[in-house]
Amino acid sequence: DAGVIQSPRHEVTEMGQEVTLRCKPISGHNSLFWYRQTMMRGLELLIYFNNNVPIDDSGMPEDRFSAKMPNASFSTLKIQPSEPRDSAVYFCASSLALVGQGHYEQYFGPGTRLTVT
Amino acid sequence: KQEVTQIPAALSVPEGENLVLNCSFTDSAIYNLQWFRQDPGKGLTSLLLIQSSQREQTSGRLNASLDKSSGRSTLYIAASQPGDSATYLCAIVGGAQKLVFGQGTRLTINP
Repeated sequence: DAGVIQSPRHEVTEMGQEVTLRCKPISGHNSLFWYRQTMMRGLELLIYFNNNVPIDDSGMPEDRFSAKMPNASFSTLKIQPSEPRDSAVYFCASSLALVGQGHYEQYFGPGTRLTVT
Repeated sequence: KQEVTQIPAALSVPEGENLVLNCSFTDSAIYNLQWFRQDPGKGLTSLLLIQSSQREQTSGRLNASLDKSSGRSTLYIAASQPGDSATYLCAIVGGAQKLVFGQGTRLTINP
């Protein structure tokens, strides 16, 4: 299994530009999570999907952030327009959620390091 | 709101020592607790997952315990090796698969 795949691994962009981060979850997993990691705030959940449907987006910082999951094998996190304070490492994770069970181990991708200048 | 605290923030020990990393959480109504390892510039690797009904889990030289009533978990590493150097993160699942992370303990094992 290839694990969770994220692209690009590094992104440098100028303030005001649109940024799109991509994630391919582990095949067969039905839940997908987007996290952001910064020195100040640590790891924070931004949004998660179950069966391609957004379940909780309360962690999305503001309207400049949007996420989609058009199918079970692909998700995007978009920032438009980007700002320097969006600089962080963005992680995608996936898991297999089974009805009636509690927690399901999450598997993380390598992350995308975003720098907004 | 669930808060997760990890102490110490950084730890440096000589190779071969046994060590304990600590994690505390404010809300004992949890589903599970997961310990991760993060190497510099890399993603997170899951080490151990303890379900709320369990008290401990073991994997090789690692042993994690969970005491929900006191809001604490520990990660015990036996016979530490330089390859164990990394940041260790504790994460709580309070509901609906949402992981709440601590800030991590940066561990350095000196040869």
